[in-house]
Amino acid sequence: DAGVIQSPRHEVTEMGQEVTLRCKPISGHNSLFWYRQTMMRGLELLIYFNNNVPIDDSGMPEDRFSAKMPNASFSTLKIQPSEPRDSAVYFCASSFRPDRGPKGYTFGSGTRLTVV
Amino acid sequence: DQQVKQNSPSLSVQEGRISILNCDYTNSMFDYFLWYKKYPAEGPTFLISISSIKDKNEDGRFTVFLNKSAKHLSLHIVPSQPGDSAVYFCAASLIQGAQKLVFGQGTRLTINP
Repeated sequence: DAGVIQSPRHEVTEMGQEVTLRCKPISGHNSLFWYRQTMMRGLELLIYFNNNVPIDDSGMPEDRFSAKMPNASFSTLKIQPSEPRDSAVYFCASSFRPDRGPKGYTFGSGTRLTVV
Repeated sequence: DQQVKQNSPSLSVQEGRISILNCDYTNSMFDYFLWYKKYPAEGPTFLISISSIKDKNEDGRFTVFLNKSAKHLSLHIVPSQPGDSAVYFCAASLIQGAQKLVFGQGTRLTINP
């Protein structure tokens, strides 16, 4: 099992550019989560999907952020246009429902985004 | 509005001693609490959890204490080992098994040999 795979590991982009972060969940998992880690706020849930359907996107900071899950094995988080305050580490996690709930989360290694 | 707070960004402890990490929350509706551990360049991994019907849960060297009246929980690691050096996140949810977690800012624990 390769775990949750995120790409790229690091991304440096200029302000105003479009950024796309990618996630491949664990095969068989049917819930997928996007989190953002910052020093001030810790880990924040941006959006999560069950069976490829967005369930809760209340954590998405603004319209510049969008997320899709076209199939069970792939999700993207897009920021357009990017701003320096978007700089953070973005984590993807997946889980299987029903399970032990959050104990069953498996996180990816994250994408460190720097917007200059 | 930070509903889960870890007020100590960092903590340094001697190997073999007890490490105590603290977490406060503001939402009295939170019913289930978890601790995650994160090494550099890796994602967080689940460590231990506690339901609000309990005030203590133990797993080996790790014990979580919950004080509902004070809206406070703590993680005790005894004895501390160098491999425990990591960032620890406290998290809370409204019900056990809920998909949505609210995390704190994290505390970086360093265990000194």
